[in-house]
Amino acid sequence: SSELTQDPAVSVALGQTVRITCQGASLRQYFVSWYQQKPGQAPVLVIYGKNIRPSGIPDRFSGSSSGNTAALTITGAQAEDEAVYYCKSRDTADNSRLFGGGTRLTVL
Amino acid sequence: QVQLQESGPGLVKPSETLSLTCTVSGGSISSYYWTWIRQPPGKGLEWIGYIYFTGRTDYTPSLKSRVTMSLDPSKKEFSLTVSSVTAADTAMYYCARDIGDGALDIWGQGTMVTVS
Repeated sequence: SSELTQDPAVSVALGQTVRITCQGASLRQYFVSWYQQKPGQAPVLVIYGKNIRPSGIPDRFSGSSSGNTAALTITGAQAEDEAVYYCKSRDTADNSRLFGGGTRLTVL
Repeated sequence: QVQLQESGPGLVKPSETLSLTCTVSGGSISSYYWTWIRQPPGKGLEWIGYIYFTGRTDYTPSLKSRVTMSLDPSKKEFSLTVSSVTAADTAMYYCARDIGDGALDIWGQGTMVTVS
């Protein structure tokens, strides 16, 4: 089966730009979706499809993809963006879905 | 506004069957892929599977032999059963709506299930 690989932890200074990446063979064929999870809360969809933001998600969140790597970019990170971010896509082997391991974002 | 609510026992004995239900309110259960995800304490998210409104299902390979999903349109509910549970099945279980291309746009608040 496929895997989606994320860096375990990333930090960013308040107001700066951070890029969170997700790598996997399936990303060459399928869209990725990104989720933000804060402690004790259910995940929230922040980006999906071809860089689509659901209603209510700030425009500082954006997504991109090239080859086997997808990225979630936060331009002007805020303290409230501190969370764990998960990518999700498909498994090329059996068409099931899978999550990346998650990236813990710290805003300094 | 569509909302999802999980319900079911919070404690299940080893070797028994875990059963959860997700109730859809504020919208239709037709269309969409109704999905279950779980998260062991302190760990990442695991996609369990989905049931499409037609009844078609797809499960993650590692759980396929133990998982069954069903859907009751008249009650606007969909359900998950996991048989022969062990401590490794202890997790927060979430239901969610997949709007296509894998995007889970609405999640329930989650329900904690402990196997002990």
